Amino acid sequence: AQKITQTQPGMFVQEKEAVTLDCTYDTSDPSYGLFWYKQPSSGEMIFLIYQGSYDQQNATEGRYSLNFQKARKSANLVISASQLGDSAMYFCAMREASYDKLIFGTGTRLQVFP
Amino acid sequence: ETGVTQSPTHLIKTRGQQVTLRCSSQSGHNTVSWYQQALGQGPQFIFQYYREEENGRGNFPPRFSGLQFPNYSSELNVNALELDDSALYLCASSLGGIGGTMNTEAFFGQGTRLTVV
Repeated sequence: AQKITQTQPGMFVQEKEAVTLDCTYDTSDPSYGLFWYKQPSSGEMIFLIYQGSYDQQNATEGRYSLNFQKARKSANLVISASQLGDSAMYFCAMREASYDKLIFGTGTRLQVFP
Repeated sequence: ETGVTQSPTHLIKTRGQQVTLRCSSQSGHNTVSWYQQALGQGPQFIFQYYREEENGRGNFPPRFSGLQFPNYSSELNVNALELDDSALYLCASSLGGIGGTMNTEAFFGQGTRLTVV
């Protein structure tokens, strides 16, 4: 069954430090995509980074990188040099090739302190 | 800021009433998906419209229905509102539909926060 699991309800990190947000997934489809979104209190889902199941390299977008371990079915988000503005909810999501919808995890609330 | 706009931003309805939520998709996008996000949860897929046809549906009852218009904007209608329908409703537009590319980014609107009392 398709499933995304985020086991960290909340994380704290000091400004300028790096933080890793965990995500594991379950799918039987060999072709899928993994996404990370940021949701501030305003509610909008902001796309951060994408990793395809056949991509050989880990995705990077500025301060965001995705630690993709296919055999372990994990897709952890690494935020380097945290900023106060990074405080928000973070959602991991998956899309399978056979079905054009996003399946979301329950999210991790990240709080960055000075 | 994405080009996806949702209206209204907030809404309060009474149990048993009907509600219509609206979404204007990003220019050039032909696919609109609707999600329900209950408090403290991740978004749950309701359904998707691709070129004015329903293109997949999640585990939601028939009282959740939708439309997509020729300009690709969309409506979500919910009949016979229940207290559990209180949630943030998110609309996402993308360029895809069946056979769309896997890395098609979905752009989300800011959502409509529905409260049913």
